[in-house]
Amino acid sequence: AAGVIQSPRHLIKEKRETATLKCYPIPRHDTVYWYQQGPGQDPQFLISFYEKMQSDKGSIPDRFSAQQFSDYHSELNMSSLELGDSALYFCASSQLAGGDTGELFFGEGSRLTVL
Amino acid sequence: GQSLEQPSEVTAVEGAIVQINCTYQTSGFYGLSWYQQHDGGAPTFLSYNALDGLEETGRFSSFLSRSDSYGYLLLQELQMKDSASYFCAVRDGNTDKLIFGTGTRLQVFP
Repeated sequence: AAGVIQSPRHLIKEKRETATLKCYPIPRHDTVYWYQQGPGQDPQFLISFYEKMQSDKGSIPDRFSAQQFSDYHSELNMSSLELGDSALYFCASSQLAGGDTGELFFGEGSRLTVL
Repeated sequence: GQSLEQPSEVTAVEGAIVQINCTYQTSGFYGLSWYQQHDGGAPTFLSYNALDGLEETGRFSSFLSRSDSYGYLLLQELQMKDSASYFCAVRDGNTDKLIFGTGTRLQVFP
């Protein structure tokens, strides 16, 4: 079965550079979420999209932006990178129209290292 | 605000039973979910409780008491592969985002 696809899996950037992460949700899933997980931390909600419109925003820095495109894939753009941005970034998708079981399907994550 | 509290770490031996508790405070409540995450891996869905009571799925069971804002995950016949972090989570009552608890690291010893 198709899963959530994230790319790249690993990314190394210098401080003040820009990074873009991509997410391809499970087909027919209408909601995409982005989470940031630092070492030893729980996943922190960043932003979500429902049917290509931003549906909720969490603790996402102003340096970060995201969007969902017509093919439902989503991109997280991070600018002026800081050392503290080093983390695992997860994308998840769900299909709310199918009922609420609290189940999100997570991608394998993109590990960003800022040097 | 919303918060979910879990013990930070639990240890047990193979074959044992372990219970991971979760207490929550939320502005709205749809149900309590549990996710498992191995080091460096993605969170994977284990269970969901919308109503009070016990839900059983194989070796894992999950319990919810809405009146007590409390739930737990019960893992039976522990195996080494169960060593992972376990997160409780609630879906925000006003939006659809999932809020995770602080996570419990389970270590299973031979």
